[in-house]
Amino acid sequence: LAKTTQPISMDSYEGQEVNITCSHNNIATNDYITWYQQFPSQGPRFIIQGYKTKVTNEVASLFIPADRKSSTLSLPRVSLSDTAVYYCLVGDTESGGSYIPTFGRGTSLIVHP
Amino acid sequence: NAGVTQTPKFRVLKTGQSMTLLCAQDMNHEYMYWYRQDPGMGLRLIHYSVGEGTTAKGEVPDGYNVSRLKKQNFLLGLESAAPSQTSVYFCASSYPIDSTEETQYFGPGTRLLVL
Repeated sequence: LAKTTQPISMDSYEGQEVNITCSHNNIATNDYITWYQQFPSQGPRFIIQGYKTKVTNEVASLFIPADRKSSTLSLPRVSLSDTAVYYCLVGDTESGGSYIPTFGRGTSLIVHP
Repeated sequence: NAGVTQTPKFRVLKTGQSMTLLCAQDMNHEYMYWYRQDPGMGLRLIHYSVGEGTTAKGEVPDGYNVSRLKKQNFLLGLESAAPSQTSVYFCASSYPIDSTEETQYFGPGTRLLVL
């Protein structure tokens, strides 16, 4: 029942900007898009959430086109500590209105010196 | 606030044994979730609860049972452990502002090895 598609892995170098795109063709009208970050041996943690256009916080930016069928997480000037798995999540309200979060397999980002 | 805590952190079981994993949250969240994470599989939802006394099946519920007798606790039970249940188990909680916008807070995980 995966609703999102992300690249399995990405490589980058310190100081570069990293953009991770997530496809969610079946996103529902009321669904929000949420990104989580997971370090090894830890639980995921919230990074950013948005509904449309652009959202920015101290960690990242989230770009969502008008059709909302995809979203792009942008990490500016990555460092080695940004090496982690990044998950894109969309709300699932199909089952009687109860929210059932569906994680994809995530994108493993490796930042090189 | 301790956030979301999980007990135990690590456990080794023999096939056929039973055990209960405890998740506790002190954020007064309505929703709680149990996930399992296997290498290369991401997180898969086992069971979830939208409130005290309610539970529902997720993506991979077979072999597990849950209970939410108190709002702050969500228990995951394995009645007869199998090697296929070797995994890392994460608990999460959330309080939806509305039905679709919510942030999950995760616990540190429980590593379970079934021999």
